[in-house]
Amino acid sequence: EVQLVESGGGLVQPGGSLRLSCAASGFAFSSYWMHWVRQAPGKGLIWVSRINGDGSSTNYADSVKGRFTISRDNAKNTLYLQMTSLRAEDMAVYYCVAGVFDIWGQGTMVTVSS
Amino acid sequence: DIQMTQSPSSLSASVGDRVTITCRASQGIGNDFAWYQQKPGKAPKRLIYAASSLQSGVPSRFSGSGSGTEFTLTISSLQPEDFATYYCLQHNNYPYTFGQGTKLEIK
Repeated sequence: EVQLVESGGGLVQPGGSLRLSCAASGFAFSSYWMHWVRQAPGKGLIWVSRINGDGSSTNYADSVKGRFTISRDNAKNTLYLQMTSLRAEDMAVYYCVAGVFDIWGQGTMVTVSS
Repeated sequence: DIQMTQSPSSLSASVGDRVTITCRASQGIGNDFAWYQQKPGKAPKRLIYAASSLQSGVPSRFSGSGSGTEFTLTISSLQPEDFATYYCLQHNNYPYTFGQGTKLEIK
């Protein structure tokens, strides 16, 4: 079964850091571009970042550039999002997405609050 | 950045109705475009890719058309399970951008 399972979300104070993980199974992970997409409560979908199959190329939304880092470990079939200097506006459900946005995880909630 | 303008933002319709949702891109994106359905508390589900190709397993009452800057999603005969929020996505240029969503509600 093709599956993406996110973890690592939780409550963090403004200015804090968090690392999200996404475990992939059921498909050739290393061949797929991977993305993070977020959705603030009651709001729309926002693309956050993308990484190519071997991890050599990345892109970021301007709102997270310099604060978030996307990476992957193809030996572990896992995607990561390291988030630093978190702000209230980063609070959202973070989805891990594979390929041409055809495979989605269930999401993990990040809450930024003091 | 490419802006995706989706309309309408909300729509009230009845079971059996034909509905159309439109997305306009601020510049040409070829057919690097997709439609998604999202139900409360769930991840989005891809319905249409490459502007007009039906995702495997998606009912044939869903169809997509368009290229360049104008795209439409049509549901030919609404079913109770179709009441949800729909989003469009362009993946032609970074940053990839979604439309603001269309909430389809039961009349």
